Amino acid sequence: DAGITQSPRHKVTETGTPVTLRCHQTENHRYMYWYRQDPGHGLRLIHYSYGVKDTDKGEVSDGYSVSRSKTEDFLLTLESATSSQTSVYFCAISESKWAGVWDEQYFGPGTRLTVT
Amino acid sequence: DAKTTQPTSMDCAEGRAANLPCNHSTISGNEYVYWYRQIHSQGPQYIIHGLKNNETNEMASLIITEDRKSSTLILPHATLRDTAVYYCIVRVGGGSQGNLIFGKGTKLSVKP
Repeated sequence: DAGITQSPRHKVTETGTPVTLRCHQTENHRYMYWYRQDPGHGLRLIHYSYGVKDTDKGEVSDGYSVSRSKTEDFLLTLESATSSQTSVYFCAISESKWAGVWDEQYFGPGTRLTVT
Repeated sequence: DAKTTQPTSMDCAEGRAANLPCNHSTISGNEYVYWYRQIHSQGPQYIIHGLKNNETNEMASLIITEDRKSSTLILPHATLRDTAVYYCIVRVGGGSQGNLIFGKGTKLSVKP
């Protein structure tokens, strides 16, 4: 299994509070991603990173920010959590093998976040 | 990226081959076919991908039709641990984004 850990694995928080989720990898892969998974929607990309300090928005980025100060860590922050952000959050990593072909993505175990 | 169509659910007997179809009739020439699966409560797991040739690895085989409008993922000897939701994804290689667009997938139930 790829060396990806997520912390915390479970969190309950109140509406309006800030929350930071951490993704840590030991594979030295260049690309890191944050997805959320909700019933009826499958997985949706929130933000991704293509290198240290290089990030970009995904499909559902509103209300989320990210930071990547080191290759191994990718942080997802909810500045002011809302109930609509209750979800399971997955981190993924990948490393393209060569130009024009994308390598497979490896996913972490997920973080279950509940906003009350 | 092209859209895919998969059956909502399928059953398979343990030890038999599981054949999971995927329709991607609008696929472009530079789009790859990827298969992932998600076992309950776990993160998605990469299975296999291909462009136009059939592919095989230790987990599965991928058969892509000559016109590339459909493909089939084959698990040669399904076990109970293969019970999962299987996602077929088509996406362009290269470019600046590596994200995968997951649809609803096929829920495969392997029965004893």
